[in-house]
Amino acid sequence: GDSVTQTEGLVTLTEGLPVMLNCTYQTIYSNPFLFWYVQHLNESPRLLLKSFTDNKRTEHQGFHATLHKSSSSFHLQKSSAQLSDSALYYCALGGQKLVFGQGTILKVYL
Amino acid sequence: GGIITQTPKFLIGQEGQKLTLKCQQNFNHDTMYWYRQDSGKGLRLIYYSITENDLQKGDLSEGYDASREKKSSFSLTVTSAQKNEMAVFLCASSRQGGSDYTFGSGTRLLVI
Repeated sequence: GDSVTQTEGLVTLTEGLPVMLNCTYQTIYSNPFLFWYVQHLNESPRLLLKSFTDNKRTEHQGFHATLHKSSSSFHLQKSSAQLSDSALYYCALGGQKLVFGQGTILKVYL
Repeated sequence: GGIITQTPKFLIGQEGQKLTLKCQQNFNHDTMYWYRQDSGKGLRLIYYSITENDLQKGDLSEGYDASREKKSSFSLTVTSAQKNEMAVFLCASSRQGGSDYTFGSGTRLLVI
C-alpha cells in the first residue's frame, strides 16, 4: 500500500541556518499528490504546501518543496530557520485517504 | 469558507466508561477521518469514511467504534476508556484524493 517515510524524528537547528526535512513516498499511482502539514504546539495540523506537478517548486511562507517523481521525494526546505518555525512537520501522500509520515519535530534555537 | 467542529473540546472520563466524540463539517467533503495523537508523537489513523454510512478501519481501530450518520458528521466512540489515558483526538475531512484536507481543533481526552 501507499506509504510515506520521514527519516528524521527530530531536527535541531540554530536560527538562520537552512532547513531541510526529508520525505520519500511509495505509491503505485503515477500522479501522486504530496503535502506538507505543520503543527504548532497546542494547535491542529494545517496545510503548508502541496504539489502534484513533477519537478516544479512550490513555495509558501518561506518554505519550498519540489516533487521529484524520479526519486519519489518531496523534501521541505527553507533558506533560513526562524524561532517561530519550531513545530511538528508532517509529509503526506494523497489517495483514497491521506497517508501521513511519522512526523519530524523541528526545534530552532538562538 | 467552511468549518470543521469537534465536540467536546475537553473530555474527562472514568476507567471503563464509553465515551463519544463528535465531528461536523460543512465543506461538503466526502471523506472524514479520526486520528489519535499522543503527546509529541505522530498521527495514528483510527477510522475513516469515504461516504455516508461507509466505515474503514485504520491502524488503531481496536478499542474504538465509529459512525458516519450523514455526510456532514462522523462520530467516534471509545468503547472502554483506559485509566491514565491521555491523548488528543483529531477529526479531519477532505475531498476525494485528499485535496482540501482540513483538521478540526481536537478533543483532549483524560481518563481518571
